[in-house]
Amino acid sequence: AQSVTQLDSHVSVSEGTPVLLRCNYSSSYSPSLFWYVQHPNKGLQLLLKYTSAATLVKGINGFEAEFKKSETSFHLTKPSAHMSDAAEYFCVVTEGFSGGYNKLIFGAGTRLAVHP
Amino acid sequence: DAGVTQSPTHLIKTRGQQVTLRCSPKSGHDTVSWYQQALGQGPQFIFQYYEEEERQRGNFPDRFSGHQFPNYSSELNVNALLLGDSALYLCASSLVGGQGSGNEQFFGPGTRLTVL
Repeated sequence: AQSVTQLDSHVSVSEGTPVLLRCNYSSSYSPSLFWYVQHPNKGLQLLLKYTSAATLVKGINGFEAEFKKSETSFHLTKPSAHMSDAAEYFCVVTEGFSGGYNKLIFGAGTRLAVHP
Repeated sequence: DAGVTQSPTHLIKTRGQQVTLRCSPKSGHDTVSWYQQALGQGPQFIFQYYEEEERQRGNFPDRFSGHQFPNYSSELNVNALLLGDSALYLCASSLVGGQGSGNEQFFGPGTRLTVL
């Protein structure tokens, strides 16, 4: 069975400092992995995705993530936090391409706070 | 290009009642998935519809049912509401066999259901 573990429920950083949100996954198949962001009272927005191409994935707003199969990790990073990055972040796993029927398995989320 | 839309935005019901939530997929998409997001948790997969049939189902009771129409829009029905059904219900659309973004699900803003 697939699962995702987000190792931190809350992360607090100062504006301009690096961001690291940690995610470990479990999958019996070749997984696809995603990071979604959810701002208050807004829908989920895709930040980036890994689908068995390059292991270092670049996303929107300066975020990137590295797929490490040996460590079953997919950590999200950003070199310099901005106040607008404050939100809930979800790591998500799904089984590759299964006819396009993709059930997304979400982690519990990490709330990122950015302080001036 | 309209994204995923959901209605209503908010809904208040009492225990034992029935509710219907609606979703219109992003233009060009043919698959609709429904997720339940309880407060402080990650979204949980309810079920997925393609070609007007339920293709996958998560661990939800039969009180949760759905429908997909020929125009790809979808409804989520919940019968005999319980207090624990209070949550944000998210609809996501995708394209079966879509190139490049075939795995990507686009989310609507959600319907906030409160059961009293």
